[in-house]
Amino acid sequence: SQKIEQNSEALNIQEGKTATLTCNYTNYSPAYLQWYRQDPGRGPVFLLLIRENEKEKRKERLKVTFDTTLKQSLFHITASQPADSATYLCALAPSGGYNKLIFGAGTRLAVHP
Amino acid sequence: DAGVIQSPRHEVTEMGQEVTLRCKPISGHNSLFWYRQTMMRGLELLIYFNNNVPIDDSGMPEDRFSAKMPNASFSTLKIQPSEPRDSAVYFCASSRDEGESYTFGSGTRLTVV
Repeated sequence: SQKIEQNSEALNIQEGKTATLTCNYTNYSPAYLQWYRQDPGRGPVFLLLIRENEKEKRKERLKVTFDTTLKQSLFHITASQPADSATYLCALAPSGGYNKLIFGAGTRLAVHP
Repeated sequence: DAGVIQSPRHEVTEMGQEVTLRCKPISGHNSLFWYRQTMMRGLELLIYFNNNVPIDDSGMPEDRFSAKMPNASFSTLKIQPSEPRDSAVYFCASSRDEGESYTFGSGTRLTVV
């Protein structure tokens, strides 16, 4: 069956360190993968998109990698801050022409001062 | 732009009543999506419209759920009759085109008692 897996346990890190979140998928051949941030009581907010022919994408302190052989994406936040504390969701679009995102369950990140 | 606008923000209703959730997508966005989020099941895609036409409604739980998009600036999700297990946060999202990011609304928190 098709699955998108993110660490269900919260990730706790110290301010200033790099946070690394993992997204693994099975039985998908995604055309692209996206990462979103969700704060309590709010809708998800788009962060980064990476396509199947791209290995890495950066935006300010954020970096995403995409390994279609390992079927894995890594999401990094460098120099993390308490304001980065949130739930981070990965989402992928199955290939086949549909503009349709399937979301993982998300990983909660807590950055401590 | 005010973003994706959903109403109401909160809805409490009794089992068996009809519930209508509303969404106004971002002007110029061609695709509209309804998602449901619960702790147990995460963010689930219910239905997806492209240019006001339903493309994929395979996520709609059962016949009690229906969605319409009469024009490019308005969509509704209706539940009739509602049941306690429908309690969740319902999000509407829109995107400009295939392969682009989604913009989510703030969601409607539905409680069916």
